[in-house]
This record gives sequence, C-alpha cells and structure tokens, in this order.
Amino acid sequence: TQLLEQSPQFLSIQEGENLTVYCNSSSVFSSLQWYRQEPGEGPVLLVTVVTGGEVKKLKRLTFQFGDARKDSSLHITAAQTGDTGLYLCAGSGLYNQGGKLIFGQGTELSVKP
Amino acid sequence: DTGVSQDPRHKITKRGQNVTFRCDPISEHNRLYWYRQTLGQGPEFLTYFQNEAQLEKSRLLSDRFSAERPKGSFSTLEIQRTEQGDSAMYLCASSLLAYRGGWSEQFFGPGTRLTVL
Repeated sequence: TQLLEQSPQFLSIQEGENLTVYCNSSSVFSSLQWYRQEPGEGPVLLVTVVTGGEVKKLKRLTFQFGDARKDSSLHITAAQTGDTGLYLCAGSGLYNQGGKLIFGQGTELSVKP
Repeated sequence: DTGVSQDPRHKITKRGQNVTFRCDPISEHNRLYWYRQTLGQGPEFLTYFQNEAQLEKSRLLSDRFSAERPKGSFSTLEIQRTEQGDSAMYLCASSLLAYRGGWSEQFFGPGTRLTVL
C-alpha cells in the first residue's frame, strides 16, 4: 500500500517567517501534486512535479521533488496571512499514471499577522 | 471555461435514507474521480471513470455506494441506506488523459458536504 506522510500536521507562524512542509513515502511516484484547500471548499492545484530533482517556483512558494521521486517539499518564503490553509500533497502511482491520487493527511498552516 | 461543479453543496439526511450527488467535470476532460474527505484528513479515493467506463473502485466503496457516468459526461454518486459514518465531504475531480501511460492533473470541484443524523 502506498502512503504519503506529511509533516508537520499543524504549523502556526507569524507573518514574514519562512516555513517548509515535507511529504515522504517509501514508494516511488510517477508525479506528485500539491494542493491548497480552504475550509468547506475543494482542493486547488498549486503545482505538479514529475521529474526527480525537479524544482518549481510559484511566487514565494518553492516545490521540490526528491531525486528518487519518493519525497517532496514545499517551502514558503515570507509567509503572508493569505497563505493560511490546508496544504495537501498527492502522488500518482508508478504504474497508475492518470489514475487515483494518494493523498497525505495534510498540513494545517496558520499565518498570524 | 467553468471548472468542476458539484450539486448539492450541502446535504443533511436521516440515517437510512438514500442520497445522490452529481458532478459535472470540465467539459473536455475524459477522466472523472470521486474522493471522500473526513475532518482533519486528506481525501481518500473512491472510484474513477474514463469516459463512461468505471476503471477502478476502492475497497472503501461498500455495496451501498454506486457511481455512474452514463454518457461519459456528468457523474452521479448514490449512497443507499446512509449511516452516520458516511458523513463526510464528497469531492469530485476531473482530468484529461492525453495518452496511455501519460500523467494528468486532477482539478477538484467544491465538494458536497453530507451530514447523516
């Protein structure tokens, strides 16, 4: 069974601080997606990483896919209150591309002014 | 271009009743997925379709759950004889799989929040 472990589960920081969220597995994934979810809404896709070692930047957010495609990280620089939300990583199985996503349990981020 | 839409957004029902949810995917997307999310957890896969064919069902999907996508466009998820444990957010997603063996991004709808009393 493929599992994705996210850490930390909860993170409360002050505006302007930096943070990193980790997503780890013992399994290899063909691609990995990061989503952000607000309460009562569906997840919104932030980025997809496909190649081992790949780094993608989205304004103050930096996403990295591990060389072995088993782990990923999300780094936020100078967090803002608008970054508050649930961050989810989700992987697509090595032999199931385009099929179901395996989700981590999420990281609840709270950025205080 | 509209995104994935789901109806209703909220449903409150009594234990033992049947409920049906609808999902309209992004128009050109050939794959449609159903997930369930409980509080404090990430979404869990239930089932998915390519066009009208149901390709995979999770063991989470008991006999009381059935999903259809009759014309390869919208999909319905029905839960019969609801139980309190069915209370959750039901999420629909769609994607365009361009070629066999390729990868695709899934885009989610706003979800249907089910409360079983």
